[in-house]
Amino acid sequence: DQQVKQNSPSLSVQEGRISILNCDYTNSMFDYFLWYKKYPAEGPTFLISISSIKDKNEDGRFTVFLNKSAKHLSLHIVPSQPGDSAVYFCAAQSVPDKLIFGTGTRLQVFP
Amino acid sequence: NAGVTQTPKFQVLKTGQSMTLQCAQDMNHEYMSWYRQDPGMGLRLIHYSVGAGITDQGEVPNGYNVSRSTTEDFPLRLLSAAPSQTSVYFCASSYSPWTEQYFGPGTRLTVT
Repeated sequence: DQQVKQNSPSLSVQEGRISILNCDYTNSMFDYFLWYKKYPAEGPTFLISISSIKDKNEDGRFTVFLNKSAKHLSLHIVPSQPGDSAVYFCAAQSVPDKLIFGTGTRLQVFP
Repeated sequence: NAGVTQTPKFQVLKTGQSMTLQCAQDMNHEYMSWYRQDPGMGLRLIHYSVGAGITDQGEVPNGYNVSRSTTEDFPLRLLSAAPSQTSVYFCASSYSPWTEQYFGPGTRLTVT
């Protein structure tokens, strides 16, 4: 049973516009959420995180929103750039338990 | 700092062969873990270690063995390779289980 779901396998966005990547989870005990970015032939790299005590965390062009009642989080990238083209994984954990990853969303940013 | 290094980058095995995937980190991280990435499955945890001498199973441990004799190294052993173990394997490390993990570049393994 997939506890962390990314229902959109791919997303295509024009450069300069907003990219919104979504993630749903089923385990209400999750209290820490992270987004990782992965380029081809490289390992994932940490992007941004959010604790369940917050509903928003911002880092430059990246903002993560958490809606605990809906068990939903989203990553907003504004403005999107071609270098943002990658696979994005969301992950969740019930600290200090193991991290559970979603299946990933491939973002393509075109000129 | 080299970060997390993994060798080899690519490997082809025949069914039944054994091999060890190497992982090393130079950040003095206590927590290390192994994941496999398969299409449509995301990253799944195989084994992890919270410090030298301590290892535990993750979500998909069958067919794999690990040991942690030093803080720096965390090798993953395939005991008898099967085609179902064809995957990309990532090693990761972090200060603790609840801080962001740093991933190695991955090993692409094909079992024929």
